[in-house]
Amino acid sequence: GAGVSQSPRYKVAKRGQDVALRCDPISGHVSLFWYQQALGQGPEFLTYFQNEAQLDKSGLPSDRFFAERPEGSVSTLKIQRTQQEDSAVYLCASSLTPSFETQYFGPGTRLLVL
Amino acid sequence: GNSVTQMEGPVTLSEEAFLTINCTYTATGYPSLFWYVQYPGEGLQLLLKATKADDKGSNKGFEATYRKETTSFHLEKGSVQVSDSAVYFCALAGPNSGYSTLTFGKGTMLLVSP
Repeated sequence: GAGVSQSPRYKVAKRGQDVALRCDPISGHVSLFWYQQALGQGPEFLTYFQNEAQLDKSGLPSDRFFAERPEGSVSTLKIQRTQQEDSAVYLCASSLTPSFETQYFGPGTRLLVL
Repeated sequence: GNSVTQMEGPVTLSEEAFLTINCTYTATGYPSLFWYVQYPGEGLQLLLKATKADDKGSNKGFEATYRKETTSFHLEKGSVQVSDSAVYFCALAGPNSGYSTLTFGKGTMLLVSP
């Protein structure tokens, strides 16, 4: 079946622009995660949804970052007033149930802020 | 808080050599431990996992044993192939996040030459 998909795959933004990154999880997966991966680093947790509920947003670096999953499937990560330090790969992952389960990762969206 | 430390790369080996990539962790309680792999141009995928002490995870010839006494989860393979060239990430999911969100190490690049 289809895996986790993300769009766009690449995004170039001018500093100060708003961007929206989309994640389509595997159908039926309850949990959805967003991670940020800077160049040469491991992914870092941003936020986590169980169905439509955002249970943990402790990793969001500032109030410019906002995520939603209104119907418990597709999720959008929005970054307002982008800054150069936001340049990174944004990874989405989903899992069937919340705990102990394998997380399936999408290919990521590479964001470059100029 | 939780943290994962991996040996720095790149690790450069000839085909059929023995591989060890060291991983140690710090966590509250007893986490689940994972190795993820990222092949060139592809997304992260789970390689193996272990959920309790002394468990051995294995897949595709790779093995790692959950050592609580040394807080380690070293990745090993007896005979590497060129196709194993990738970036390997050690990760944990701890009880303080309900065993859901992942904390990753920085990754270790493996380069295998024919």
